[in-house]
Amino acid sequence: QVQLTESGPGLVHPSETLSLTCTVSGFSLTGYSVYWVRQPSGKGLEWMGRMRYNGDTSYNSALKSRLSISRDTSKNQVFLKMNSLQTDDTGTYYCTRGLGYWGQGVMVTVSS
Amino acid sequence: DIQLTQSPSTLPASLGERVTISCRASQSISNSLNWYQQKPDGTVKRLIYSTSTLESGVPSRFSGSGSGTDYSLSISSLESEDFAMYYCLQYATYLWTFGGGTKLELK
Repeated sequence: QVQLTESGPGLVHPSETLSLTCTVSGFSLTGYSVYWVRQPSGKGLEWMGRMRYNGDTSYNSALKSRLSISRDTSKNQVFLKMNSLQTDDTGTYYCTRGLGYWGQGVMVTVSS
Repeated sequence: DIQLTQSPSTLPASLGERVTISCRASQSISNSLNWYQQKPDGTVKRLIYSTSTLESGVPSRFSGSGSGTDYSLSISSLESEDFAMYYCLQYATYLWTFGGGTKLELK
């Protein structure tokens, strides 16, 4: 059974770095790509980037300068780090497998 | 990056009605388009992939069509659980993008 679970701090201060973890089960990270999608509060879905099955990464052009995605295959985890957070980064962050299986999302609030 | 324009942004409709949501791409995306449903609790579900293939378990009242730059999602007879947000996504290029979303609401 494929499962993805996001975790991370619920509150981040402006200008700080967001660190999220996606823990997966039911499949191998060396066989499937994992994607990060976010939904800023009151807005639509935004594709952020991906960790491909072979370890390659790609990022949304608008976020590329602030975003980093990595993984630890031994722990079945994919990581997202985004720096210089601002209030409009507040929202829900999802990890997905191939955009077919989705986690429940984690809410992140950027506030002082 | 390819831009996707969804219309309408809000769609008031009644139970049993047939509705269609449009998604237009800024360039040809060669049928590389999925449709997603998001419920008010945030749960996201893929309904259709590759323009017209129904995800397993999705009711047959949902259908997708299109080609080139123009795509659509249709629901043949609305049921109460269908009132939600809908998004298209293109994966034709290295960088993927979502449409802006359509809120399907009860009239």
